[in-house]
Amino acid sequence: GIQVEQSPPDLILQEGANSTLRCNFSDSVNNLQWFHQNPWGQLINLFYIPSGTKQNGRLSATTVATERYSLLYISSSQTTDSGVYFCAVGGYGGATNKLIFGTGTLLAVQP
Amino acid sequence: EPEVTQTPSHQVTQMGQEVILRCVPISNHLYFYWYRQILGQKVEFLVSFYNNEISEKSEIFDDQFSVERPDGSNFTLKIRSTKLEDSAMYFCASRDRGHNSPLHFGNGTRLTVT
Repeated sequence: GIQVEQSPPDLILQEGANSTLRCNFSDSVNNLQWFHQNPWGQLINLFYIPSGTKQNGRLSATTVATERYSLLYISSSQTTDSGVYFCAVGGYGGATNKLIFGTGTLLAVQP
Repeated sequence: EPEVTQTPSHQVTQMGQEVILRCVPISNHLYFYWYRQILGQKVEFLVSFYNNEISEKSEIFDDQFSVERPDGSNFTLKIRSTKLEDSAMYFCASRDRGHNSPLHFGNGTRLTVT
């Protein structure tokens, strides 16, 4: 099955700093989503981005499907950005098309 | 915006008891999923459901688990005889038709087995 690796595993930032989170995957995908898991455990969908670039406020994401990676950019980080960021990918799995999650990046933004 | 809703948000049960976790997917979605996340670990796929039957299940989804869509709106996960290691966050998700559509996740049910 598809392997999903995220880096770095942990990241500590000062408020206001910028960061880049990376997601590598081992096979062609037709679905890629980025999630933020907040302290209450909820999975907040950030981007659906199987290819190309999207921006939403201070967050943006780029997926280069041909090179099998995606990047999540966080600019001017705030303490509320803290939590775990997951990349999840879906392959060409017929009627299932399930998402396979990476191991996540734990982000801590300090005031 | 339509949401996937899960109930209860937190359930505590004793080892050996049966539990049913409930989900209401987004209306008109066709594909349904359950995922599990043990504390501090990654989110793991359990099962997918389409056209009133299981379309895929993982190794985790053994005989103690079952899923059902009893009516046109609910999607349930049943654990027949809970074990301590079943303690986890369980997420329900749904997806619209077509391969190029995102999964929408509910807020999860935190199951604690004592």
